[in-house]
Amino acid sequence: DTEVTQTPKHLVMGMTNKKSLKCEQHMGHRAMYWYKQKAKKPPELMFVYSYEKLSINESVPSRFSPECPNSSLLNLHLHALQPEDSALYLCASSRRRTSGAVYEQYFGPGTRLTVT
Amino acid sequence: AQKITQTQPGMFVQEKEAVTLDCTYDTSDQSYGLFWYKQPSSGEMIFLIYQGSYDEQNATEGRYSLNFQKARKSANLVISASQLGDSAMYFCAMREGNRDDKIIFGKGTRLHILP
Repeated sequence: DTEVTQTPKHLVMGMTNKKSLKCEQHMGHRAMYWYKQKAKKPPELMFVYSYEKLSINESVPSRFSPECPNSSLLNLHLHALQPEDSALYLCASSRRRTSGAVYEQYFGPGTRLTVT
Repeated sequence: AQKITQTQPGMFVQEKEAVTLDCTYDTSDQSYGLFWYKQPSSGEMIFLIYQGSYDEQNATEGRYSLNFQKARKSANLVISASQLGDSAMYFCAMREGNRDDKIIFGKGTRLHILP
């Protein structure tokens, strides 16, 4: 099973709202990722969690707050977003990189976020 | 400096023909991995194929093969006998073995399969 699930599929929120995106995988992967993708662009990495600890934050604004409660679950908490934050948010997971080894990432279907 | 280059923004191919999507990369690492992902209009990124820098054979997965030319730093995706369902955006990506858990994506190639 190579499934990564994401909820919700679509989200419309106002600039003063607080919402959360959820991602789940049961492949035993210990690395999980959040990406942001604008239309006709490649995904941009936002955060990486390795063994439930934040290992990479690509200078993402604090209105995006990631959380990894356990090895299967990854959340992205949203607060006071701007219209330019409207995008497809993709979650991915992979086996943890080991020395010299490189593993593919498996992506979820994404959440299409619209900020009004 | 751009690490993954996909020079074909869009391609139109007749159904059942083979298609080659170009990808060149730049890295000074000896250990790295190259990936191709397919993204249909639905949005999900679908992993297609992987090539490790130390793999001597070109990777193949069904109708997909990766033409790996290490000296030229090229990792082209070949799709044999294209189907209408192959219409999608295709991203070439690289993960450097000695760096953090990051994948670097190219800008993508939009493939259109014509009936």
